[in-house]
Amino acid sequence: QQQVKQSPQSLIVQKGGISIINCAYENTAFDYFPWYQQFPGKGPALLIAIRPDVSEKKEGRFTISFNKSAKQFSLHIMDSQPGDSATYFCAARLRANQAGTALIFGKGTTLSVSS
Amino acid sequence: EAGVTQFPSHSVIEKGQTVTLRCDPISGHDNLYWYRRVMGKEIKFLLHFVKESKQDESGMPNNRFLAERTGGTYSTLKVQPAELEDSGVYFCASSHRQGGYNEQFFGPGTRLTVL
Repeated sequence: QQQVKQSPQSLIVQKGGISIINCAYENTAFDYFPWYQQFPGKGPALLIAIRPDVSEKKEGRFTISFNKSAKQFSLHIMDSQPGDSATYFCAARLRANQAGTALIFGKGTTLSVSS
Repeated sequence: EAGVTQFPSHSVIEKGQTVTLRCDPISGHDNLYWYRRVMGKEIKFLLHFVKESKQDESGMPNNRFLAERTGGTYSTLKVQPAELEDSGVYFCASSHRQGGYNEQFFGPGTRLTVL
């Protein structure tokens, strides 16, 4: 049973376009939703994260939109650049006082930005 | 500050052999996590150490996997005997302290191939 569902599996976007990756979850005990970016040969690196009491968080060209009632959150990359080409993982974490603080990941989205 | 390091970067072994993966967390990080990504699937949690103690090992697939963190510093993950389904990328991550929204920093991973 996959607790965090991520789509699409792969995405091709033109340079300057908007990349959108979606995630959905079921467990209302999740209290932290990070997005990780991974380049080939490297480990995942935290890109941006949000808590469920906030509906949107923006850092530069990266924005998380969070819909608590729908149990969905998404990553928007504005003005996508070839350097953004990477694999993106959404994740969720149970509250720290429940079953530790492990992250539960989606399957990942491979983004290719064409120039 | 040095990041999380993992050794080896790649390992190719025959079914039935033993392999030991090593992770050196960021200095001062009490929390150490092991995750695994099987090709095309999500990054899955294996276990979590707080210093030298196992906080949560609910993700360990079976008793062929043994993790240790002697002295609360580096950690090893031994697979004995290895099976074909153990192939994947094994990530280690560390964070400063439990609770809160402390970022987990990931290592580059060890790619394990069992033939």
